[in-house]
Amino acid sequence: AQKITQTQPGMFVQEKEAVTLDCTYDTSDPSYGLFWYKQPSSGEMIFLIYQGSYDQQNATEGRYSLNFQKARKSANLVISASQLGDSAMYFCAMRSGGYNKLIFGAGTRLAVHP
Amino acid sequence: NAGVTQTPKFQVLKTGQSMTLQCAQDMNHNSMYWYRQDPGMGLRLIYYSASEGTTDKGEVPNGYNVSRLNKREFSLRLESAAPSQTSVYFCASTPFDRDGYTFGSGTRLTVV
Repeated sequence: AQKITQTQPGMFVQEKEAVTLDCTYDTSDPSYGLFWYKQPSSGEMIFLIYQGSYDQQNATEGRYSLNFQKARKSANLVISASQLGDSAMYFCAMRSGGYNKLIFGAGTRLAVHP
Repeated sequence: NAGVTQTPKFQVLKTGQSMTLQCAQDMNHNSMYWYRQDPGMGLRLIYYSASEGTTDKGEVPNGYNVSRLNKREFSLRLESAAPSQTSVYFCASTPFDRDGYTFGSGTRLTVV
């Protein structure tokens, strides 16, 4: 069965420090994609970063990077130089199997303290 | 602006009432999805449509029906609303590429 697990219900970090949000996944498909989304208190879903299962390099998008460890089935999000505006819910998601279905983890609430 | 448009943004229903949530995208995406998000939880897939003319059940389809009216529009219908369907509903679409999925702004539904 396909599953995404986020074990950290809540995290906090000091402004300007780096933080890692954990995500592990389970799938038997050789081809899959991993996504991270940010959901601020306003409720919209904001795409942050994508990693394909065949990508050789870890994905990076500005202050976001994805630490992809395929053998361990983990896809942790690293946010460098945290900002107050990074305070939000963060969801890890996986596209696997047919029909492009995207399944989500339960999320991690990040609080950035000044 | 290109994107996914959901209507309405807020709705209060009485138990047993019916309603349809509308979703439209103008990005020429093939695949569309309906998710629900309950407090403190991730999004769970209700129904999806891989392409125009096809629909399939997701994780939590009970109590819902869908219609893929054309390539742009994918509606979600609650035939007889129940308090357990109180949730935030998101519509999403994708062309199936690395940038993935575009989400609508959500519909906050309360069933009393």
